[in-house]
Amino acid sequence: DAMVIQNPRYQVTQFGKPVTLSCSQTLNHNVMYWYQQKSSQAPKLLFHYYDKDFNNEADTPDNFQSRRPNTSFCFLDIRSPGLGDAAMYLCATGDGVGQPQHFGDGTRLSIL
Amino acid sequence: EDQVTQSPEALRLQEGESSSLNCSYTVSGLRGLFWYRQDPGKGPEFLFTLYSAGEEKEKERLKATLTKKESFLHITAPKPEDSATYLCAVQGMIGAGGTSYGKLTFGQGTILTVHP
Repeated sequence: DAMVIQNPRYQVTQFGKPVTLSCSQTLNHNVMYWYQQKSSQAPKLLFHYYDKDFNNEADTPDNFQSRRPNTSFCFLDIRSPGLGDAAMYLCATGDGVGQPQHFGDGTRLSIL
Repeated sequence: EDQVTQSPEALRLQEGESSSLNCSYTVSGLRGLFWYRQDPGKGPEFLFTLYSAGEEKEKERLKATLTKKESFLHITAPKPEDSATYLCAVQGMIGAGGTSYGKLTFGQGTILTVHP
C-alpha cells in the first residue's frame, strides 16, 4: 500500500544535541510537509517543500531545518533541541491546493 | 489569517447515541475543508474533503456537512471503536509568504469517547 513512513517512531535526545527525523513516501506526491504537534494541541505547520522549492513558515524557529534530497524522502533537522521542542513531529504529503494531505504516524521526540 | 475553532473540546457518548461535532472557520477563499481522525500516538487519518456550502459526504456512521461558516461531523449510532480525536482543517487561498501549496490550518480537535 502507498504510504508515508516516519522513522524512528520514538526519539530521545539530549538538550542541545542535534537530531534528525526522517520521512519517506510511496505516494509520489509533489509536496511534503512537516508539522509539530504538542500534547492536546493542533498540528502546526513548520515548513513544506513543493518539489525542491522550500517554504518556511514565518514563525518557525531557525533551529529547525529541512532537506529533501529527492521526491521520496524528506528530513527534519533540529540543530540544538530545547526542552520546548519535545513534541510529536508529523510528516505529510499532498498534491497541493484542494487536495487532502496524508500523514505518517509521527515521531515522538523527547528531550533529556 | 485563517482560523478554525472546534466544539465541544470533549464529548462522551453512550454506544448508539447520535451526536454532532462542530467546526467554525474563517478563511480567505476556501479551497477545501478537511476532516481527520487521530488515534492516540498516531498521525491524522483522512476522512473527508468538502469544497463548497451545501456539500455533504458520508462514510459508514459519519456524515460531514458544510456551510459558509461552519462544518458539522454527524455521528450516527456510534460504536466504541469510533472513539478518537476528530480534527477539522481548512485550506485557504494564500499560505505564508504568498505561496499556497496546500497549507492546512487545524482546529484543536474534539476528543470523542464512546462508552459501551
